[in-house]
Amino acid sequence: DAGVIQSPRHEVTEMGQEVTLRCKPISGHNSLFWYRQTMMRGLELLIYFNNNVPIDDSGMPEDRFSAKMPNASFSTLKIQPSEPRDSAVYFCASSLRVSGTEAFFGQGTRLTVV
Amino acid sequence: DQQVKQNSPSLSVQEGRISILNCDYTNSMFDYFLWYKKYPAEGPTFLISISSIKDKNEDGRFTVFLNKSAKHLSLHIVPSQPGDSAVYFCAASGTTSGTYKYIFGTGTRLKVLA
Repeated sequence: DAGVIQSPRHEVTEMGQEVTLRCKPISGHNSLFWYRQTMMRGLELLIYFNNNVPIDDSGMPEDRFSAKMPNASFSTLKIQPSEPRDSAVYFCASSLRVSGTEAFFGQGTRLTVV
Repeated sequence: DQQVKQNSPSLSVQEGRISILNCDYTNSMFDYFLWYKKYPAEGPTFLISISSIKDKNEDGRFTVFLNKSAKHLSLHIVPSQPGDSAVYFCAASGTTSGTYKYIFGTGTRLKVLA
């Protein structure tokens, strides 16, 4: 398997624009996570899905953030409108919903909002 | 509120010596703990884990210790090598409570000096 695939790797956008980050989890994994990496909070969990259903979105910072998982092989994280403080690296991860297993991460998307 | 804490943002160790990275958690429902390693411009990669039924797990140069009463775990790297220089994240999960999400700390940047 190619692992968790995220696109794009880098995104530069202007303040106020809509940004969509994409993720393809590992085939067969039934849990998917979106994280944001910042200096202050480290790897901050934004939202996670189980069997394509959002289970916990308490980490989503504002209503400007939304995430979807229309099927088992694809998820998106959308920011609309984007703001400079959203600049960070966003990671997607997937795992089997089984005790004693780890999550596998994608390479991340570095988002810069100017 | 940070449920998983890594209080040392950075650590420098001489090559060949022991590196000790520490992590504290607050939620007693956590029962599975993981360490991840992250190089620049890459996603975090799984390193080693421990279940709450154990107090030690060893894998080559890496050993994780868990002290449940103190809600503390540590990662020992012996001997440290320059290639170990990276950011290390501690993570916790509460599988017995049915919560399979992974909560991460803020990370510790390890620098191994040649």
